Amino acid sequence: DSGVTQTPKHLITATGQRVTLRCSPRSGDLSVYWYQQSLDQGLQFLIQYYNGEERAKGNILERFSAQQFPDLHSELNLSSLELGDSALYFCASSVVGGSPYNEQFFGPGTRLTVL
Amino acid sequence: ILNVEQSPQSLHVQEGDSTNFTCSFPSSNFYALHWYRWETAKSPEALFVMTLNGDEKKKGRISATLNTKEGYSYLYIKGSQPEDSATYLCAFMGGGSNYKLTFGKGTLLTVNP
Repeated sequence: DSGVTQTPKHLITATGQRVTLRCSPRSGDLSVYWYQQSLDQGLQFLIQYYNGEERAKGNILERFSAQQFPDLHSELNLSSLELGDSALYFCASSVVGGSPYNEQFFGPGTRLTVL
Repeated sequence: ILNVEQSPQSLHVQEGDSTNFTCSFPSSNFYALHWYRWETAKSPEALFVMTLNGDEKKKGRISATLNTKEGYSYLYIKGSQPEDSATYLCAFMGGGSNYKLTFGKGTLLTVNP
């Protein structure tokens, strides 16, 4: 158990809908990262927050947004969902925001299925 | 677009065999190379974070080496056990990337008893 929690574990929804995925980082970790794992793709970095501020952005679609709250939990909002958004979404956390030396601790993931 | 390649894509070995696989990454602007172990139905778990050319890290029967000049890292498993069966991911962090990790697609290792 990494100490990172994600809810829900599974989510099934329809095209065009909007969903919110939630992540609580390990106690003491200030940085939260979101990743998408689609079929045949490696883990794709979406976005990083550090202590409430957006720190880095990857290939995140405009239909997707995220935020980190004062209690450091983070939410990833996915809207106007398409079939291709079906994937495993991971959240990870690390102690600091800008160090290459710190490993990331991954949550159990949320499996999103868009029908 | 950063290219992080892992080979082989999958590997089957017998219990007790030693094995190794490769991660290739850009040789310029290097910050760090991470290795993660991802068991089925679990989440990726960090094995090593490597930052210096020539780095060698070891954890039990698993070790890794790093060559930043030529852009590769090897992961070695000595005396493989069935519980080593997992996908092994490497992730590259380059300068100017705002500390983003770019992951390879992984090597799926299956150790047969």
